[in-house]
Amino acid sequence: GQNIDQPTEMTATEGAIVQINCTYQTSGFNGLFWYQQHAGEAPTFLSYNVLDGLEEKGRFSSFLSRSKGYSYLLLKELQMKDSASYLCAVKDYGQNFVFGPGTRLSVLP
Amino acid sequence: DAGITQSPRHKVTETGTPVTLRCHQTENHRYMYWYRQDPGHGLRLIHYSYGVKDTDKGEVSDGYSVSRSKTEDFLLTLESATSSQTSVYFCAISEGDGGVVEKLFFGSGTQLSVL
Repeated sequence: GQNIDQPTEMTATEGAIVQINCTYQTSGFNGLFWYQQHAGEAPTFLSYNVLDGLEEKGRFSSFLSRSKGYSYLLLKELQMKDSASYLCAVKDYGQNFVFGPGTRLSVLP
Repeated sequence: DAGITQSPRHKVTETGTPVTLRCHQTENHRYMYWYRQDPGHGLRLIHYSYGVKDTDKGEVSDGYSVSRSKTEDFLLTLESATSSQTSVYFCAISEGDGGVVEKLFFGSGTQLSVL
């Protein structure tokens, strides 16, 4: 079966660091993706991991452990504009992308 | 923005009526997708297409049909809309980065309300 879990909500303070975890069990694995979605808008691509380890893109980093079925998205130097939902997705086989329920992040001043 | 346009952006309809949502892309992408997004469920795949006249079902395909007669257009039809199909519908395309991995890019979405 397909199962992706993320915390429902998180709160952090402006300027801080926050880590959003994602665990997955899917029938196949061809990459793990993170998307950001502001309220009322479409998801936008943030990062992806295919191999184990850390991928860094500016203030955002994503980590993957395939053996543990685990990923996290790390957001540094939080800004108010980072308040959004963060979606974890696995490309399991072929062109099939399976999404988690999303984590709503609130950044407080 | 990967050149994706969805229409309409908002639609209110009555139970039992047919509804068609349109997704149009301008960059000749092979793969196109329809997702619905509901609170607590995240994005769920309805149907996808891997070429003209080539489509396949996703996780929540019951009550939906699709057609792709041209590369640029992917239509989603609700033959007889029900209240459970009230949702936000997103069209997406997958685009590669020159390497192995293809990523999804989304249209702006259609808010559909079935009364």
